Amino acid sequence: AQSVSQHNHHVILSEAASLELGCNYSYGGTVNLFWYVQYPGQHLQLLLKYFSGDPLVKGIKGFEAEFIKSKFSFNLRKPSVQWSDTAEYFCAVNEFTGNTPLVFGKGTRLSVIA
Amino acid sequence: GAGVSQSPRYKVAKRGQDVALRCDPISGHVSLFWYQQALGQGPEFLTYFQNEAQLDKSGLPSDRFFAERPEGSVSTLKIQRTQQEDSAVYLCASSLGGTGIKNIQYFGAGTRLSVL
Repeated sequence: AQSVSQHNHHVILSEAASLELGCNYSYGGTVNLFWYVQYPGQHLQLLLKYFSGDPLVKGIKGFEAEFIKSKFSFNLRKPSVQWSDTAEYFCAVNEFTGNTPLVFGKGTRLSVIA
Repeated sequence: GAGVSQSPRYKVAKRGQDVALRCDPISGHVSLFWYQQALGQGPEFLTYFQNEAQLDKSGLPSDRFFAERPEGSVSTLKIQRTQQEDSAVYLCASSLGGTGIKNIQYFGAGTRLSVL
């Protein structure tokens, strides 16, 4: 069975600090990888996704993630966070064939302070 | 509509009461998924549909949970004889169905169920 592990439960950063959120998955086959973000009071929104090709993917709002197949990892990064990045971040995977349920990590709460 | 719509946004039920949660997917989306999100946790899969066919219901926690999508569009998640442990946010997501960008799931705002 697939599983997703997010290493950090709560991260607190000052504005302009760099961000890296860890995500590791467990699955025997090829997967699609996603990062979703949930801003306070809002619904889950797609931040970025990886299907195939270049393992470094760029998403909205300056976020990027790198797929390292040998490490089963898909870490999220941002060079300089802003107060508006305060949110909950979820890593998710599903089978490469698509049209299958997502398996989510438990999420990482990011708090950015001025 | 422009996005996935769920109703009601909030539901308070007395233990033992039946509830029905509605999901309107994005128009034209073939696949529809239900997830349950407990406080402080990530969403967990309940069931999903491709058009009107329920392809997987392995995540439904008990036979008190039932979902349907009779015309391949709107879906209803029904919980019978609610228990306190059913308290959670119930999320609906839809996708075009397929590989690549057709695989992207778009989420509704969820229904927060509180069972007293």
